[in-house]
Order: sequence, then structure tokens, then C-alpha cells
Amino acid sequence: DAMVIQNPRYQVTQFGKPVTLSCSQTLNHNVMYWYQQKSSQAPKLLFHYYDKDFNNEADTPDNFQSRRPNTSFCFLDIRSPGLGDAAMYLCATSRVFGVTGELFFGEGSRLTVL
Amino acid sequence: GDSVTQMEGPVTLSEEAFLTINCTYTATGYPSLFWYVQYPGEGLQLLLKATKADDKGSNKGFEATYRKETTSFHLEKGSVQVSDSAVYFCALSDNRYGGSQGNLIFGKGTKLSVKP
Repeated sequence: DAMVIQNPRYQVTQFGKPVTLSCSQTLNHNVMYWYQQKSSQAPKLLFHYYDKDFNNEADTPDNFQSRRPNTSFCFLDIRSPGLGDAAMYLCATSRVFGVTGELFFGEGSRLTVL
Repeated sequence: GDSVTQMEGPVTLSEEAFLTINCTYTATGYPSLFWYVQYPGEGLQLLLKATKADDKGSNKGFEATYRKETTSFHLEKGSVQVSDSAVYFCALSDNRYGGSQGNLIFGKGTKLSVKP
């Protein structure tokens, strides 16, 4: 059974039209992450939550926001998508925040911006 | 800044062939090193890891040794199977959060196709 579930798997939006991607987990993990993976590029960490504590990477654009209303769910909000935001968005979780904290990834949400 | 460079794919092999996927890194301090695998239609999964120099990570017949002197973490398997077809990502963790896997710096991935 899938443990990290992302919805939708495919999202098409128009330039400037807000979009929300969701991630849910059944693992009861403390930490949730959002990565952005553009075509033929390495996944790049956008931000993470340790419980309710939000940690933004320094180079994550302000256009990207996140919410974690409870342990199980985390959302990625893109306020005004541009063509350059077209990518695969990966959600991941880990029980702990350390070397032994193996990441568990969802299948990803592929965003297309028209 | 820290970075990971891995060989570009795609790599196409016949079943039972020997596999090497090269990975080198640049990092300050002493990062931990990882290989993640992404099978078709699935999310990334941890394949193996090494946390200090000379450590060897191994899983499912795959091995990689943390070589500090050459800043490398090459992935090897002696005999690949069709089921090994996937994209393989080399990654390191910087030390901002005590070596957490959360802030992984990934390579671009190498696609492996194994033919029967």
C-alpha cells in the first residue's frame, strides 16, 4: 500500500493561475519535504516541515508556499505559476531528521503551465 | 557549494552484465552519501548509503564505497536483471542539519535499461 500519496498526479494550469498540490502520509512521520525536479535535472529541496516548524530553503522563490494542517497532510501552493515552474514536484517524509532518517517519496505530481 | 556529478545516461545493458554508474561529489566537511532508485511509475526509494569514508553500502546486490580520496561513490552490481531497469540518483547530505537526509543534494540521475 502506498505510504506517501500525492494528488493530483498530473496538473495542468494556466500562467498565473494558482495551483495547490497535496501530499498525505500514513507513516506518522514527523518530517515532510517538498522537492522540485525539472526535466533532466536533479531534485531540489524547496522546504520542509519538522512537525509544525517550517523551514524554507534560502533560494526558494516567494511564489512557493506550504501548509501543514496536521501530521498527515502537507500542501504546496504556487501562487502565480510561471512557465519556469513546470516540473515534477516530489513529496517525501522521514521519521527523524538525521542521517538515519530515510526518506520515503511519493510518486510525484507533474505540473504543466500553459 | 556542494554538488554531485553522475554519469549521464541512458545506460543500456544486457541481462547478467556488470554495472557501474559513476558518481563524484564536491562538498565541504564530511557528507553522507546515498544512492536512490526510481522504478517506472514509482517514487524514489533509498537503495544504499554510507556515512563515512571507506564505508561500503550494499543492498539487493548493489554496492558502493565511500572514497574520500577520490570523492567518489560509484554504484556497482555484478549481474544486472531486467527488474533493475530504473533511474538511479546519487546524492549527498550536507551538514547543516546534522547530516540529515532531508536536505539531499542530488545528481541528475542515470537511466538504466536492462534488456533480456
